[in-house]
Amino acid sequence: DAKTTQPPSMDCAEGRAANLPCNHSTISGNEYVYWYRQIHSQGPQYIIHGLKNNETNEMASLIITEDRKSSTLILPHATLRDTAVYYCIVRPSQGGSEKLVFGKGTKLTVNP
Amino acid sequence: ETGVTQSPTHLIKTRGQQVTLRCSSQSGHNTVSWYQQALGQGPQFIFQYYREEENGRGNFPPRFSGLQFPNYSSELNVNALELDDSALYLCASSLGGPFSYNEQFFGPGTRLTVL
Repeated sequence: DAKTTQPPSMDCAEGRAANLPCNHSTISGNEYVYWYRQIHSQGPQYIIHGLKNNETNEMASLIITEDRKSSTLILPHATLRDTAVYYCIVRPSQGGSEKLVFGKGTKLTVNP
Repeated sequence: ETGVTQSPTHLIKTRGQQVTLRCSSQSGHNTVSWYQQALGQGPQFIFQYYREEENGRGNFPPRFSGLQFPNYSSELNVNALELDDSALYLCASSLGGPFSYNEQFFGPGTRLTVL
């Protein structure tokens, strides 16, 4: 089972920041938080990941709370092409497999 | 650098038949994972191959099997197809192996319909 909880859907106006929350209250000390997104009819796309510090790349920013029990993915200037399902994933730290455990994600709709 | 490719794009089979899905990894990647995504759900991990050996398996029956070849391309085979096997099958490649956590790059998927 997924170790994360996300709202099923969110809306955002084009050009505004989209803030997608994720709860991972049972995260272990050496587990990373990963974000992927899946645009309709495509495979998931990696966005960003982090351990405890905030991270930023050309796609998004990831803010992780100090207690690491929740995080927020920020798309600073959402466009219509950002409409997708966003998955927050806690990466298993044991077992030696790189498997990703997906939940149902958040369906983000960016409106014009 | 070519990305992950999968074939075929769409496939229709009948219950009881067998199917083989194919995946070509991104150049230089030695690990491939397969996922099943039912409509409205997130992808579910089927299994992973690293250097031609199975390296982890999800909660799928033995009729789901796989192969990885020396060039790191991969196949997913499903025997005795059931209606519930209708789904999008995703292949993901990465560089590394056990205990590495490089990001996975996904292909576009194969849409399998079982009638």
